Parts: sequence; C-alpha cells; structure tokens
Amino acid sequence: AQSVTQPDIHITVSEGASLELRCNYSYGATPYLFWYVQSPGQGLQLLLKYFSGDTLVQGIKGFEAEFKRSQSSFNLRKPSVHWSDAAEYFCAVGGNKAAGNKLTFGGGTRVLVKP
Amino acid sequence: GAVVSQHPSWVICKSGTSVKIECRSLDFQATTMFWYRQFPKQSLMLMATSNEGSKATYEQGVEKDKFLINHASLTLSTLTVTSAHPEDSSFYICSADSGGYSNQPQHFGDGTRLSIL
Repeated sequence: AQSVTQPDIHITVSEGASLELRCNYSYGATPYLFWYVQSPGQGLQLLLKYFSGDTLVQGIKGFEAEFKRSQSSFNLRKPSVHWSDAAEYFCAVGGNKAAGNKLTFGGGTRVLVKP
Repeated sequence: GAVVSQHPSWVICKSGTSVKIECRSLDFQATTMFWYRQFPKQSLMLMATSNEGSKATYEQGVEKDKFLINHASLTLSTLTVTSAHPEDSSFYICSADSGGYSNQPQHFGDGTRLSIL
C-alpha cells in the first residue's frame, strides 16, 4: 500500500528566508509524486510533480523539489518565501494507472510566515 | 484549461436533511472523479471513486448508503449526504481525472464546506 509522511505539522519561517518541507513516501514501484498547496477554505493547487527523468523538478511560484529514491523522499524547497506562501502544503503519491489514478496524501504541513 | 467547478461552496442545513454537492468538469470529459473529505487541520481522505455510468467504488469505512454518488455524465458527478448529522460537517472536495487531457492526473474543485446544525 502507498503512504506518505510529512513529519512537520507546522513550520514558521521569516519572510525572505528559505523553506524546506519534508516528505517521505512508501510505494511499491516508481512513484508519481506531487506537491499541492491549499489556502484556507480553498481547493488544491498543484505546485509541481515528478513522474520520471530529472530528479530535481521546478514548479510554480518559485518552488522546487528533489526526488531521492534512496531516501524515499521528495522534499519541497523555496529559496526565499513570501508572505503569500503561508498556506497548507500536501505531498501526495500515486495518480498513475497502477494506483487506479488515486492519490494518497500526507498529513500536510502548515506554513506560517513571519514578517 | 482543465477547470473543475464544485457547487455549492458553502452550505448550512438542519440535522436530518439531505445535501447534494455537484462536481463538474467544465472543459474536459472525466470518466473518473474522486470525492475527498477533509476535517479541520487534517489531510484529505479519499471517500470514493466515481465512474461514469457505473457504481462508485467506496473506500473502506465509508458508508455508501450515507454518501450517495452519481456520475451520470462525463462532466458531472454528485455527492449526496443523506440524513446529514453534525458529525457529517466537514470540507468535501472533488477532483476529476483529466484522462490525459492535461499533464496532471487530477484537477480539484474548490471544495464545499458543509455545516450541519
């Protein structure tokens, strides 16, 4: 069975500082991996995804993530956060035919940005 | 492109009533849609997979008679919470399988906040 763990429930970061959100997954085959962002009361917006190829993927809003198979990780990073980055971030695995196109989400990390 | 519309965005109703939530893919056809439930400050939990023209597949622990799903067309799936009670209050989110229309496997609606008094 596939699973996703986001070890950090909350992260507080100062505006302009760098941000890294951790994600560890369990999956029987080569995973499809995703990072989504959710603002309060809103749906999910895809930040970036990894299917194959280059293990460092670039996304929207200046985010990037690195797939490390040996560590079963897919950590999200941003060099300099903006106040508008305050939101809930979800890592997800699946979304391919082998998984029935289902996505399994991690528990989420809430990011607070200090002025 | 690949827009999913969910309606209503917020509904408040009395205990015992039934509530219908619609999920529409506006610019693509979706043979498969997914329904999630999200409690405050928690992650999304898949409730069921909705397949056009056939019965929905429910995840373990989800009452199919409580949460009725209908996917009668390639652009519309509905979730009806029957005889809703306060414990059904939650944020419900749908997503549509783009089926290769875009490079994302699922496109999400903006969610429906359901409050049962």
